[in-house]
Amino acid sequence: DAGITQSPRHKVTETGTPVTLRCHQTENHRYMYWYRQDPGHGLRLIHYSYGVKDTDKGEVSDGYSVSRSKTEDFLLTLESATSSQTSVYFCATASGGAGDTQYFGPGTRLTVL
Amino acid sequence: GESVGLHLPTLSVQEGDNSIINCAYSNSASDYFIWYKQESGKGPQFIIDIRSNMDKRQGQRVTVLLNKTVKHLSLQIAATQPGDSAVYFCAENIDTGRRALTFGSGTRLQVQP
Repeated sequence: DAGITQSPRHKVTETGTPVTLRCHQTENHRYMYWYRQDPGHGLRLIHYSYGVKDTDKGEVSDGYSVSRSKTEDFLLTLESATSSQTSVYFCATASGGAGDTQYFGPGTRLTVL
Repeated sequence: GESVGLHLPTLSVQEGDNSIINCAYSNSASDYFIWYKQESGKGPQFIIDIRSNMDKRQGQRVTVLLNKTVKHLSLQIAATQPGDSAVYFCAENIDTGRRALTFGSGTRLQVQP
């Protein structure tokens, strides 16, 4: 494991409320990613970061924003949660070296009622 | 735990047999491929990787084969054990600039004792 933790691990919220998920890594990896995993869709990239304060959109970024103020932390925010954002969210990191292997956190199950 | 997929293709094998899991990838320009294992309630776990300049790579009890002509990747698990029961994903590095991965939908491996 690449020393990745996610918090909270489970959250239930109501439609229209803001939600922030946190990813913390201890490996000093440059790249960090947020994915969502849904039945029938596999893992889909939401946003990623290639350095402190450097972020870019993935394939399903609408309704999500991210921030990275420190190497070790990558935050995913749902400004106004919707039921379609009910999912399992995974954070991943990569060193950005020759291997480019991504290592995943344990996931956060988010339910939007 | 977190659900991975309700309608995944499933491979059922007897304990001790060899397993072969297949994956068709999408982009002939992809230069890096990874196999991940995901157990129920956990994040994907790196198993083995291979670069496009190779056609075979071996690890401990696992072998990955790459056929670039037909864009096909396979994972072979020798002497399959009950602990190998999980969902297996292949991933390809389509966008080398973003260092982002695109994941297949996965195959569920069930090992019968």
